[in-house]
Amino acid sequence: EVQLVESGGGLVKPGGSLRLSCAASGFTFSNYNMNWVRQAPGKGLEWVSSISSSSSYIKYADSVKGLFTISRDNAKDSLYLQMNSLRAEDTAVYYCARASGGNSGFDYWGQGTLVTVSS
Amino acid sequence: EIVMTQSPATLSVSPGERATLSCRASQSVRSNLAWYQQKPGQAPRLLIFDASTRATGIPARFSGSGSGTEFTLTISSLQSEDFAVYYCQQYNNWSPLTFGGGTKVEIK
Repeated sequence: EVQLVESGGGLVKPGGSLRLSCAASGFTFSNYNMNWVRQAPGKGLEWVSSISSSSSYIKYADSVKGLFTISRDNAKDSLYLQMNSLRAEDTAVYYCARASGGNSGFDYWGQGTLVTVSS
Repeated sequence: EIVMTQSPATLSVSPGERATLSCRASQSVRSNLAWYQQKPGQAPRLLIFDASTRATGIPARFSGSGSGTEFTLTISSLQSEDFAVYYCQQYNNWSPLTFGGGTKVEIK
């Protein structure tokens, strides 16, 4: 069974940093592109970042470019999101999601981890 | 950036009725479009990819159509478990990937 389990969320002050992790199981992690998607309270879905299976291709939303860094460790079946200089508008539930084999949508999602940026 | 516009924002439907949700792209995304369902407190679930292909385990009452800039998700006969928020997503251009604002399907 495919499972994605996020961790690392919590309360952080503006300007602070946080590192999210996503532990994958039930599939060959190194074969799939992975993604982070966030959802602010009561709002819609916002794509944050994507990383290819070998980390050779990385993309960011303009809203986080230069502030967030996506990475992965295929030996540990894990995806990461390093978030620096956090702002109130970064408050959201952060989901990791697997891109389907044909990059046709995100076929598996984690349960999400809540990041709250507040003083 | 490709802007995805969903309509209506809220759709009130009685159980057993048909629901038709629309998604429009600001420029052609060919057939590179997915639909997701999200229930309160849950992660999104992939329903449809490539505009019209049902994902694994998705009931046949869900169908997708369209290409280019106009897309439709149809739920042929609404069940109680179908009341949720639905999002479209284009993946024709990954810089950036974009979602629509969502359509909430509520009980009439």
